[in-house]
Amino acid sequence: DAGVIQSPRHEVTEMGQEVTLRCKPISGHDYLFWYRQTMMRGLELLIYFNNNVPIDDSGMPEDRFSAKMPNASFSTLKIQPSEPRDSAVYFCASSLRLLKKAQHFGDGTRLSIL
Amino acid sequence: KNQVEQSPQSLIILEGKNCTLQCNYTVSPFSNLRWYKQDTGRGPVSLTIMTFSENTKSNGRYTATLDADTKQSSLHITASQLSDSASYICVVNGGTYKYIFGTGTRLKVLA
Repeated sequence: DAGVIQSPRHEVTEMGQEVTLRCKPISGHDYLFWYRQTMMRGLELLIYFNNNVPIDDSGMPEDRFSAKMPNASFSTLKIQPSEPRDSAVYFCASSLRLLKKAQHFGDGTRLSIL
Repeated sequence: KNQVEQSPQSLIILEGKNCTLQCNYTVSPFSNLRWYKQDTGRGPVSLTIMTFSENTKSNGRYTATLDADTKQSSLHITASQLSDSASYICVVNGGTYKYIFGTGTRLKVLA
């Protein structure tokens, strides 16, 4: 079974550029989560979707961050404009039935903003 | 304030030895507690999920315990292997989407 697929695995770009991270959840999963992981703060939930609808985006740090889920098999996290403090590993995860099932994580996108 | 604290921050053990990782939480309300293993450069992988009524859950050589009264959990690794070298993250779910993550214990198993 294919797991959660994220692309790109690594992204290096200059400050001010637009960055788009992509995620393909596990087929049939109806919840999708975007997380950010840093050494200082660990894993932080940014936003999550249920059946393609954003449920809570209170973890999104600023208006520069936006996320979409146009269909059940694809989601994007966009940062525009990017800043050096956005450098982190961004994970996408998907699950069935929010509280009872494990979240399945992708291998992340390591983002470096110069 | 909802918090999950893990100890120790890092741990080095010899292959074949046992070890125990600790997780204390102040999350309320409480729904479930999860342990994840995260290999370097990979996403976290679920090891166990325990609800309020469960006090022990095993997954191979990994055994998690939960004391909901004292709000403590532990992850015991038996007969450690080199492949156990990873970060172990404790996550407490406070209902709906509220996942509170600990900052993890970094385990290194030496041959």
